Amino acid sequence: GAGVSQTPSNKVTEKGKYVELRCDPISGHTALYWYRQSLGQGPEFLIYFQGTGAADDSGLPNDRFFAVRPEGSVSTLKIQRTERGDSAVYLCASSAGGWDTQYFGPGTRLTVL
Amino acid sequence: AQSVTQLDSQVPVFEEAPVELRCNYSSSVSVYLFWYVQYPNQGLQLLLKYLSGSTLVESINGFEAEFNKSQTSFHLRKPSVHISDTAEYFCAVRNYGGATNKLIFGTGTLLAVQP
Repeated sequence: GAGVSQTPSNKVTEKGKYVELRCDPISGHTALYWYRQSLGQGPEFLIYFQGTGAADDSGLPNDRFFAVRPEGSVSTLKIQRTERGDSAVYLCASSAGGWDTQYFGPGTRLTVL
Repeated sequence: AQSVTQLDSQVPVFEEAPVELRCNYSSSVSVYLFWYVQYPNQGLQLLLKYLSGSTLVESINGFEAEFNKSQTSFHLRKPSVHISDTAEYFCAVRNYGGATNKLIFGTGTLLAVQP
């Protein structure tokens, strides 16, 4: 079946702009995660949704970052007033339940000029 | 706080040679352990995992990893590598139970297999 998909695959924006990154999880997966991978680093946890609610948002770096999952399926990661330090690959993962294996999407490469 | 250490950022190896990618973790609670692989221009894929039971776990493509609780390690091994194994390998931990199931990743090891 279809895996986790993320759009766009690449996003270039200017400092100070607003961006939205989209994640479509595997159909039927109730849990959804966002991670960020900076150059030369491993993925770093941002936020975890169980259904429509954020069960753990302890990884969001500051209040410029926000994520939603209004219908318990597709999720959008929103970044306001982007900074050059936000440049990274943003990864989305989903799992059937909260404690099941996480399956990752291909990521969105965000470049802030 | 939990952390994962992958001391080797790169491991060059010749084809058909054995390889070991090291992973050590730090945690005050019981953990689940994972190895993910990222092939060039592809997303992260689960390679193998330790949840419970036998401390030696295997993947379908010949990799194995052994959970060593006393040494807090989960090293990845393969007796004979192929060119196609060239990829970035990430070790990760997750709390057993608790309020969150986030993965904590190491910084990755690039396995470069040379002919």
